[in-house]
Amino acid sequence: EVQLLESGGGLVQPGGSLRLSCAASGFTFSTYAMTWVRQAPGKGLEWVSAISGSGGSTYYAHSVKGRFTISRDNSKNTLYLQMNSLRAEDTAVYYCAKTTVTSYSAFDIWGQGTMVTVSS
Amino acid sequence: QSVLTQPPSASGTPGQRVTVSCSGSSSNIGSNTVSWYQQLPGTAPKLLIYSNDQRPSGVPDRFSGSKSGTSASLAISGLQSEDEAGYYCAAWDDSLIGVVFGGGTKLTVL
Repeated sequence: EVQLLESGGGLVQPGGSLRLSCAASGFTFSTYAMTWVRQAPGKGLEWVSAISGSGGSTYYAHSVKGRFTISRDNSKNTLYLQMNSLRAEDTAVYYCAKTTVTSYSAFDIWGQGTMVTVSS
Repeated sequence: QSVLTQPPSASGTPGQRVTVSCSGSSSNIGSNTVSWYQQLPGTAPKLLIYSNDQRPSGVPDRFSGSKSGTSASLAISGLQSEDEAGYYCAAWDDSLIGVVFGGGTKLTVL
């Protein structure tokens, strides 16, 4: 079964750091680009970051560039999001998603999401 | 303010056909393909349409997508109560070098 399982969310103070993980199974992980998408409480979807299958290319939303780092370990079938200098506006459910081969905006498999709360 | 513009709400009665619009620009919809997502309350989004008008396996043919110029549309025919959900469009943006989403449309089945 194709599956994505996020972990690492929690409560963190403003200015703090957190690392999210996304364990993939059921498909050849290294073949596909992967993406992080977030959703603040009661708000819409916001694309955060993407990484190519090899990890050689990375892309970031303006709102997180310079603070967040996306990476992957293809030997462990795991995607990561290192989040530094966290702000209250980063509070959201963070989803990892598998990107299709046809389009960087088409995400066909999603994890269940992990909640990140930035608050003092 | 989202880069892609969607109406915040839409509604219809069972059996009706409803459409959701998504307006963008030359740097996103005008030059890249559009995807559509359905999000039921409390769940992760689900891919409904990719490459403007393609349905992943398992998505009913009641759902269809189209694109013209810098706008796209999602049509739902034979509306059912279980279609009540949030719907989002997305596209790659060549200027922002990233994916942009619409603000989402909440569909109510009356």
